Amino acid sequence: QVQLVESGGGVVQPGRSLRLSCAASGFTFSSFGMHWVRQAPGRGLEWVAVIWYDGSNKYYAESVKGRFTIARDNSKNTLYLQMNSLRAEDTALYYCARDVGATDIGGDYWGQGTLVTVSS
Amino acid sequence: NFMLTQPHSVSESPGKTVTISCTRSSGSIASNYVQWYQQRPGSSPTTMIYEDNQRPSGVPDRFSGSIDSSSNSASLTISGLKTEDEADYYCQSYDSGNRWVFGAGTKLTVL
Repeated sequence: QVQLVESGGGVVQPGRSLRLSCAASGFTFSSFGMHWVRQAPGRGLEWVAVIWYDGSNKYYAESVKGRFTIARDNSKNTLYLQMNSLRAEDTALYYCARDVGATDIGGDYWGQGTLVTVSS
Repeated sequence: NFMLTQPHSVSESPGKTVTISCTRSSGSIASNYVQWYQQRPGSSPTTMIYEDNQRPSGVPDRFSGSIDSSSNSASLTISGLKTEDEADYYCQSYDSGNRWVFGAGTKLTVL
């Protein structure tokens, strides 16, 4: 069965960096687009970034553009999110999600999330 | 860019049918597929509908999705309501810049 397991969250000071990982299993990882979506405490879902199945295209929300980088290693079935220059408003539960297709239409499977807290 | 507007909350009794709307602010609702996600308290989102009206395996056929070009909106209809359907529901589409756009979410209360 499809499994997505996020890791790498934690408490970090403003301005510092953090790298999240999402280990995928149960499907052909290299055939699907992958997304990061976050949810601040008590708030709704906010899309963060997408990477196409082969890594050829990446797109970002305006709120993270220039600070976050999405990447994937298809040989390791793993998705990454490198987060630099973190701000208090980046505090959220970060989910990885598999796209229904190779690019960026919508999600079909979601991980359980990893919590990022940006605080001094 | 466009926004997706959902009602803040809806409520209905068990066994009844409820419809949650998702209205696109600009551009045609039919231009880009719409997905619907259920999120129970303390849990990750679960996909209930993808590509406007497709149900993932394991999702009961009590859940259905549709789009209406006349109102430029998508709808999630849940029939035979159960208490376990109580959750937040989010619609989602994508823009010309390949970015997902979420509605703000609708809290469904089954009472």
